[in-house]
Amino acid sequence: QSALTQPPSASGSPGQSVTISCTGTSSDVGGYNYVSWYQQHPGKVPKLMIYEVTRRPSGVPDRFSGSKSGSTASLTVSGLQAEDEADYYCSSYAVSNKWVFGGGTKLTVL
Amino acid sequence: EVQLVESGGGLVQPGGSLRLSCAASGFTFNFSSMNWVRQAPGKGLEWVAYIKHDETEKYYVDSVEGRFTISRDNAENSLYLQMNSLRVEDTAVYYCATDYGFAWDHWGQGVLVTVSS
Repeated sequence: QSALTQPPSASGSPGQSVTISCTGTSSDVGGYNYVSWYQQHPGKVPKLMIYEVTRRPSGVPDRFSGSKSGSTASLTVSGLQAEDEADYYCSSYAVSNKWVFGGGTKLTVL
Repeated sequence: EVQLVESGGGLVQPGGSLRLSCAASGFTFNFSSMNWVRQAPGKGLEWVAYIKHDETEKYYVDSVEGRFTISRDNAENSLYLQMNSLRVEDTAVYYCATDYGFAWDHWGQGVLVTVSS
């Protein structure tokens, strides 16, 4: 199973919007609407931010949104806040009952 | 409140074995599918294994297939990962996580497994 491709870093100023991409193939991102996104602060446990491409769990601010086009999924963080600075990982269900993650994107709030 | 507490980690030599446990509480464990996800030091996340609530389905990442076995005891609200023929590259923090529609919504604090001679 190949990992999904994410940019290693992204940044934005407070109040701005930033979008993180997650590119896979027709065997994972492009083939299923089961993309999820996780936020992980240093030394902390990952937190589910988006599931099934666009859905937000209870308690996640609506500043976080997800989308997908073909084999590329995206996470958009609007109205950036200092506490959004963290690592973000995408994941997708894949053929043959597997799950794959992206390599992670370090989001810096300038 | 959902709680997941992993245990059983430690230092083991290459080729050795280790059994991880995850004690669950605060939700209906016997109705919940479960997963193990790991993170090597300073690296990204990697899904390791999945088990359906009734143990009828189990899936593994290719790199651990045949070496690791996921299991559960619904009477004890516990999840396990038996790890055999351990390799240096299995060194990681291992998290147990609840299944949430092909995602993972609750995670334990993780347990460190170090494979080294």
